[in-house]
Amino acid sequence: EPEVTQTPSHQVTQMGQEVILRCVPISNHLYFYWYRQILGQKVEFLVSFYNNEISEKSEIFDDQFSVERPDGSNFTLKIRSTKLEDSAMYFCASRQATSTDTQYFGPGTRLTVL
Amino acid sequence: DAKTTQPTSMDCAEGRAANLPCNHSTISGNEYVYWYRQIHSQGPQYIIHGLKNNETNEMASLIITEDRKSSTLILPHATLRDTAVYYCIVRVEDDMRFGAGTRLTVKP
Repeated sequence: EPEVTQTPSHQVTQMGQEVILRCVPISNHLYFYWYRQILGQKVEFLVSFYNNEISEKSEIFDDQFSVERPDGSNFTLKIRSTKLEDSAMYFCASRQATSTDTQYFGPGTRLTVL
Repeated sequence: DAKTTQPTSMDCAEGRAANLPCNHSTISGNEYVYWYRQIHSQGPQYIIHGLKNNETNEMASLIITEDRKSSTLILPHATLRDTAVYYCIVRVEDDMRFGAGTRLTVKP
């Protein structure tokens, strides 16, 4: 069964450094998402992406964050100048074309900012 | 904020049915009810969804009341591996908002 994959599974970085989290969505999916979950808290929506542009973003997704689909398979989340409070699990998700299609989530990347 | 209300936690005996309730009294006519679960800190796993009719798949059954203001997720024969946080989400388009969910503990 096709799955969303994410790399790395765990990323440790120093405060102020840039990180790129990578995702490979399910191959025939057209919509892509990033969510985050701070330890012990809710899963929070960050951004949705369709047709090579952001379709929606939350208030969390400020200028520190950017997303890109650099090729036909990868979908990335870049966090510039990381802060301690960026430490969280980051989940990628994807879905097919219609709005009621199910979002399928990847296993997540645990980001630890020291 | 999430548009649903779920109990914070529930216990279930292994092999018994787990019935997880969800209130969504403000649901709109075109909003679907989705259920996901999260085991430890893994990615949310899709379970089932429905609009009006009851639904069943290999994982669970979803019972939606006639007025659509509440629903129940049923795991027919819970196993220890079903211990997880279960999220009930109402959505249309991409507005997926996770609440705190119900922490289900399946006990031997």
